[in-house]
Amino acid sequence: QVQLVQSGAEVKKPGSSVKVSCKASGGSFSNFTISWVRQAPGQGLEWMGRIIPMLGVTNYAQKFQGRVTITADDSMSTAYMELSSLRSEDAAMYFCARDLSLVIMPGVRPFDIWGQGTKVAVSA
Amino acid sequence: DIVMTQTPLSLSVTPGQPASISCKSSQSLMHSDGKTYLYWFLQKPGQSPRLLIYEVSNRFSGVPDRFSGGGSGTDFTLKISRVEAEDVGVYYCMQTIHLPLTFGGGTKVEMK
Repeated sequence: QVQLVQSGAEVKKPGSSVKVSCKASGGSFSNFTISWVRQAPGQGLEWMGRIIPMLGVTNYAQKFQGRVTITADDSMSTAYMELSSLRSEDAAMYFCARDLSLVIMPGVRPFDIWGQGTKVAVSA
Repeated sequence: DIVMTQTPLSLSVTPGQPASISCKSSQSLMHSDGKTYLYWFLQKPGQSPRLLIYEVSNRFSGVPDRFSGGGSGTDFTLKISRVEAEDVGVYYCMQTIHLPLTFGGGTKVEMK
């Protein structure tokens, strides 16, 4: 069974960047799109963007365009989300999730598997 | 962007009683392939979201049959036939037909 394991909590200063990783274990990585979703404290879910690791194709939410970069290392079964020019409002839990499958796989659905989340604090 | 509006904001339910959550989208979520790309998730405190329902009405593997989804076009509903204590948390709808993917604001379900 595929699991997505994210990197640990981060504390960053305003203006700096953070890079969060999401490693897939126990199954295929290449055939899937990986999305990144964030959740500010006490708030709802917000989609940031996604990547098709096999193709390196990315889509970003307009809100984060220019500040977020999503990459993937297919050989390491790992996706990365880097957010730059951090401000206090970026303090949140960041989740990766398995999104679309590029091939039909029985029992697999978009957003059926999520990482455990990575807490990012932004503080001077 | 497609706006997803959930109501109510919160729900206090007696165990064993039904519950219903509404989700309305600002545009139709029906694709030309005939499918409607509306999903439901439950996020329990301190946990990652968990997929409950995909494409409006299909229960994901392992989801109890007391959960059901319905609706079409722009109006959707998640129903819990008999709420149990383990159902507490925040429920979110999400559309995946258009980028950016967007979520409803969430509905918090609590036990009375």
